[in-house]
Amino acid sequence: EAQVTQNPRYLITVTGKKLTVTCSQNMNHEYMSWYRQDPGLGLRQIYYSMNVEVTDKGDVPEGYKVSRKEKRNFPLILESPSPNQTSLYFCASGRQRGSYEQYFGPGTRLTVT
Amino acid sequence: GQNIDQPTEMTATEGAIVQINCTYQTSGFNGLFWYQQHAGEAPTFLSYNVLDGLEEKGRFSSFLSRSKGYSYLLLKELQMKDSASYLCAVASGGSYIPTFGRGTSLIVHP
Repeated sequence: EAQVTQNPRYLITVTGKKLTVTCSQNMNHEYMSWYRQDPGLGLRQIYYSMNVEVTDKGDVPEGYKVSRKEKRNFPLILESPSPNQTSLYFCASGRQRGSYEQYFGPGTRLTVT
Repeated sequence: GQNIDQPTEMTATEGAIVQINCTYQTSGFNGLFWYQQHAGEAPTFLSYNVLDGLEEKGRFSSFLSRSKGYSYLLLKELQMKDSASYLCAVASGGSYIPTFGRGTSLIVHP
């Protein structure tokens, strides 16, 4: 089944404790991205990657890191989480050409206390 | 940057037709997307318009006017399961990566 998976789905952590949210897709998509979604603010892009070893900042990259060592994986790293990073996070993937449809993962709800 | 505007909330009756508008200001337009998002779930793709006109897909249709910076999503024969947030997103500036609007929450009541 074609899908984007994220882990964990739910996470409660404390300020400053490094964490990684994994994202994996099995559709051989070149493009992957991370979004955060907050009430009243909609989906905002954090980072994106057009292919392996190519990453770029989105609209709200501060406090986040990403890496793209393999085509299928695009982990999101919070080196020192803070309460303002409490949010719902979505990973997405898509082809660079042709269909520009993005496929979203199920979401990770993160709470930082 | 881009400026995408859509109503925050709309209500409609089961079986009716509803039109959700989206206006945008951008340079180097590369297409407009509509996504549906049920509460607590991931967004799912509905449509992509890059040329002016109406694209029909079953009960859902999407319209684009590039000169007016305007799009709408038309939902016919509304069902209770259509209660969801509808996200308008615009790609521009040589990229096909969309920027999302804040979404319109549609409530369908019996």
